[in-house]
Amino acid sequence: EDKVVQSPLSLVVHEGDTVTLNCSYEVTNFRSLLWYKQEKKAPTFLFMLTSSGIEKKSGRLSSILDKKELSSILNITATQTGDSAIYLCAAGQGGKLIFGQGTELSVKP
Amino acid sequence: SAVISQKPSRDICQRGTSLTIQCQVDSQVTMMFWYRQQPGQSLTLIATANQGSEATYESGFVIDKFPISRPNLTFSTLTVSNMSPEDSSIYLCSVDLTDTPSGEQYFGPGTRLTVT
Repeated sequence: EDKVVQSPLSLVVHEGDTVTLNCSYEVTNFRSLLWYKQEKKAPTFLFMLTSSGIEKKSGRLSSILDKKELSSILNITATQTGDSAIYLCAAGQGGKLIFGQGTELSVKP
Repeated sequence: SAVISQKPSRDICQRGTSLTIQCQVDSQVTMMFWYRQQPGQSLTLIATANQGSEATYESGFVIDKFPISRPNLTFSTLTVSNMSPEDSSIYLCSVDLTDTPSGEQYFGPGTRLTVT
């Protein structure tokens, strides 16, 4: 059975801390690994990774895929209260996305 | 990206009734999807909405319960039929902006449904 597992499930940090969120997958016909940020209802797209070892960066966020280990990490440096959200990773099988449970990040001032 | 809207944004419905959710995109897209997010859970794909043909449903979801229409390349509807409290969820549509599905999907704002 296809599955995506994220850890930790929840995390509380203080502003300025650096966090690393983990995602592992066991998915047939794997094509891509995606990260989303969900604050209220709609997940907003962060990254899509298809190649192993190539880091993608957007401001204070970065992510990398390890196809050998079937995993990905999302790093957030110098966290801000606005980073508080649920971070979802998803494994892509072409059109279909299989989501993990999410990591709930809370950034305290 | 694309501008995606959903209507209604939220609704409270009585059990046994049906609700139709609309999803509108500001550009033509080949791939549209419907997801469900039950309380405290992650997103689960319900079906892929295919333009001009029947939707493709995932395991555990059936057309009689979740009929889907896709009359053109910018619009789709999902109906939640004969609702029960277990259908209380956020329902989200998403689109893949590429012609061949890349996996990079963008989501609408969601419809929060409560069934009493």
